[in-house]
Amino acid sequence: AQTVTQSQPEMSVQEAETVTLSCTYDTSESDYYLFWYKQPPSRQMILVIRQEAYKQQNATENRFSVNFQKAAKSFSLKISDSQLGDAAMYFCAYRNYSGYALNFGKGTSLLVTP
Amino acid sequence: GAVVSQHPSWVICKSGTSVKIECRSLDFQATTMFWYRQFPKQSLMLMATSNEGSKATYEQGVEKDKFLINHASLTLSTLTVTSAHPEDSSFYICSARYDSYSNQPQHFGDGTRLSIL
Repeated sequence: AQTVTQSQPEMSVQEAETVTLSCTYDTSESDYYLFWYKQPPSRQMILVIRQEAYKQQNATENRFSVNFQKAAKSFSLKISDSQLGDAAMYFCAYRNYSGYALNFGKGTSLLVTP
Repeated sequence: GAVVSQHPSWVICKSGTSVKIECRSLDFQATTMFWYRQFPKQSLMLMATSNEGSKATYEQGVEKDKFLINHASLTLSTLTVTSAHPEDSSFYICSARYDSYSNQPQHFGDGTRLSIL
């Protein structure tokens, strides 16, 4: 079974600064998908960014970008120009190419200070 | 974009009653739907995977007789917590996929907060 590890239970960043959330995973598959989800206090799950393992180029979505290191099985999320609205739980997730359910890490709680 | 509606958003009921939670895909046909459970300050744990027209696949440790899942149509899956007890209190979230073999992400409902007194 695939495992997803988020080693930072909590992170803090000042507004307008940059923060990186780490994620590592374990799999024997060569094709798969990786995701970062944001869960604000409302508990709605919001897709932040996704990466297909067969693509070498790191995904970016506005202020959010990833550093995907396939050989190291690492998938970190960088948030640039942090905003107060970025405060939330962030979950890293893995999914097999064949379409099974998401396997989530334990999450990182991000605090954004003014 | 794709929207998944989950209802109710919050339910409080007495111990011993059964509670039904609905998950609907509003603008697409969901061949597969997933049910997750989330305890406070913890991650989402997959409970079961439901495919339209077939029996749900439950994860190890999830009681299928306690958590009944029905996926009768391509737009609706229901989770019924039977004879609920306080330990069943949790946050339940559904998600839906259009095509299991595509690269489309799952679309999540807003969740149901279940409190058993």
